[in-house]
Amino acid sequence: KAGVTQTPRYLIKTRGQQVTLSCSPISGHRSVSWYQQTPGQGLQFLFEYFSETQRNKGNFPGRFSGRQFSNSRSEMNVSTLELGDSALYLCASSLLVLTDTQYFGPGTRLTVL
Amino acid sequence: EDQVTQSPEALRLQEGESSSLNCSYTVSGLRGLFWYRQDPGKGPEFLFTLYSAGEEKEKERLKATLTKKESFLHITAPKPEDSATYLCAVTTGANNLFFGTGTRLTVIP
Repeated sequence: KAGVTQTPRYLIKTRGQQVTLSCSPISGHRSVSWYQQTPGQGLQFLFEYFSETQRNKGNFPGRFSGRQFSNSRSEMNVSTLELGDSALYLCASSLLVLTDTQYFGPGTRLTVL
Repeated sequence: EDQVTQSPEALRLQEGESSSLNCSYTVSGLRGLFWYRQDPGKGPEFLFTLYSAGEEKEKERLKATLTKKESFLHITAPKPEDSATYLCAVTTGANNLFFGTGTRLTVIP
């Protein structure tokens, strides 16, 4: 069974730009979650999507948004990038709910200059 | 306030030197506790799920245990390939998920 895939793997952007990251979950998984990981803050929950609806949301500003498509694939968008947005962005999928075992993708490394 | 704390932050072991990593939690209504392994630049890899106090799970040189306040990840006779960051995560009845900041393990040959 194929794992969670994320594209692109690496991105370099400048302040003020926007970026879109993509995630394909494990086949059959309907819950997709996004996380930001930085050396100082560790792994922080951004949001969770299920059936094309945002079901849970972490404590991040509105510049961070996402969506889920009918095939469970998900995208995450960050607008008006700031230097502090540089991080590893991880996507995880689980069968139905956030509290099921999360299976992570390899991540997208975003660098904001 | 719901919180997950892992200790130590970093641990250096000689190959073959057994030890334990700790994950303590204060959350309302624990539903499950997860252990993950993360190699540099990669996503976390699932290791174990524990649901109730007294539960234990094993995989190769790793054994995870759970009490009402904490979980331990015991590493028996570690090898250099066990070097990684080990993350603990807790889920609650309110459908929340909290991660600890991890323990960075280095096993020296």
